[in-house]
Amino acid sequence: SYELTQPPSVSVSPGQTARITCSGDALPKQYAYWYQQKPGQAPVLVIYKDSERPSGIPERFSGSSSGTTVTLTISGVQAEDEADYYCQSADSSVWVFGGGTKLTVL
Amino acid sequence: QVQLVESGGGVVQPGGSLRLSCAASGFTFSSYGMHWVRQAPGKGLEWVAFIRYDGSNKYYADSVKGRFTISRDNSKNTLYLQMNSLRAEDTAVYYCAKVGQWLEFDYWGQGTLVTVSS
Repeated sequence: SYELTQPPSVSVSPGQTARITCSGDALPKQYAYWYQQKPGQAPVLVIYKDSERPSGIPERFSGSSSGTTVTLTISGVQAEDEADYYCQSADSSVWVFGGGTKLTVL
Repeated sequence: QVQLVESGGGVVQPGGSLRLSCAASGFTFSSYGMHWVRQAPGKGLEWVAFIRYDGSNKYYADSVKGRFTISRDNSKNTLYLQMNSLRAEDTAVYYCAKVGQWLEFDYWGQGTLVTVSS
């Protein structure tokens, strides 16, 4: 079955750059999406089509893709960015989420 | 504005059934595919099921295939998830989510908690 692999945790200090990776065999041919989830809240889309940002999402959020790995980059991290982040993709009518990465702002 | 409101969650015994609903507003419901996604306590997101805008195609995660049924009533702007033969491992918050232009999950409801326990 199709899987997406993320690191369980990433820690950064305020103002630094956080990078969260997501690896999967189908990523070269399928788009990836990123969601932010804060405790007790529903997920929120922050990146679609590998690197596009929905309206209302701060410019410090960006996405990139290279081969079987996609990366969510948060530049100038703020305390409010502390959350769980999930990558997501699809293949052959099966939708998959990565295991999630907890971003801690030190 | 887009709103998705889930309902129908609760406590059910193993082997029991439950039907979840997702009331949609703020967009043309009959034009968009919809998903159900769940999240077990303290765990990550798990995709459960998808239905096309017209209900013509439905897809399920292996973990629920044969037990859960996704459906929709476009005249009522409502999405459903019929859950049968429930197991303890089905305990989770269940979210409905709308499909966007680029197949993203662009809007989510707030979720409804299903607890399977004796």
